[in-house]
Amino acid sequence: EAGVAQSPRYKIIEKRQSVAFWCNPISGHATLYWYQQILGQGPKLLIQFQNNGVVDDSQLPKDRFSAERLKGVDSTLKIQPAKLEDSAVYLCASSPWGRISPTNEKLFFGSGTQLSVL
Amino acid sequence: EDKVVQSPLSLVVHEGDTVTLNCSYEVTNFRSLLWYKQEKKAPTFLFMLTSSGIEKKSGRLSSILDKKELSSILNITATQTGDSAIYLCAVEESSGYSTLTFGKGTMLLVSP
Repeated sequence: EAGVAQSPRYKIIEKRQSVAFWCNPISGHATLYWYQQILGQGPKLLIQFQNNGVVDDSQLPKDRFSAERLKGVDSTLKIQPAKLEDSAVYLCASSPWGRISPTNEKLFFGSGTQLSVL
Repeated sequence: EDKVVQSPLSLVVHEGDTVTLNCSYEVTNFRSLLWYKQEKKAPTFLFMLTSSGIEKKSGRLSSILDKKELSSILNITATQTGDSAIYLCAVEESSGYSTLTFGKGTMLLVSP
């Protein structure tokens, strides 16, 4: 089974520029998450999709961040314009909520995108 | 206010030592508590604990859920340098849909 795919792996931009990240979840996983992990902190949920609908975006800075999951499969996260404090690793994860996972693993993470804003 | 609090935030031990990492939580509709190990970018799953499964063990790692104290511990015995990582605790809540909230993590460094 292919894992969660994310791209790019690394991105360096200057402040006020725009950037977009892409995520393709595991096939059949209805739930998709974007987490932001700032150095030294745990992952913070930015947005959670159930199929192509948003179920939680309470911590998404909507003045600069946007995300979509058209057709309920892959997703893009955009930052426009970027600020210095957006430097972080952006993790995408998917979940088979409602389906029994033999290992009890709830979230399957991608390898993340490391963003540096200069 | 943080829903999931981990302690200590960082820890340095010598190879062979035993360590105990702590996680406390305060959520409304608790469903499960999960431990992850993060070495590079993607966290890797270690254990899931629920009200019906409060103790798990795998090799040198073990974890216990204390439902009364709303907390969990992760024990690592006979630590090795390969155990150096950030250990994340996450709590699953379920109220219509499930979501996971992570603590800040404990950074463990095992010196040879």
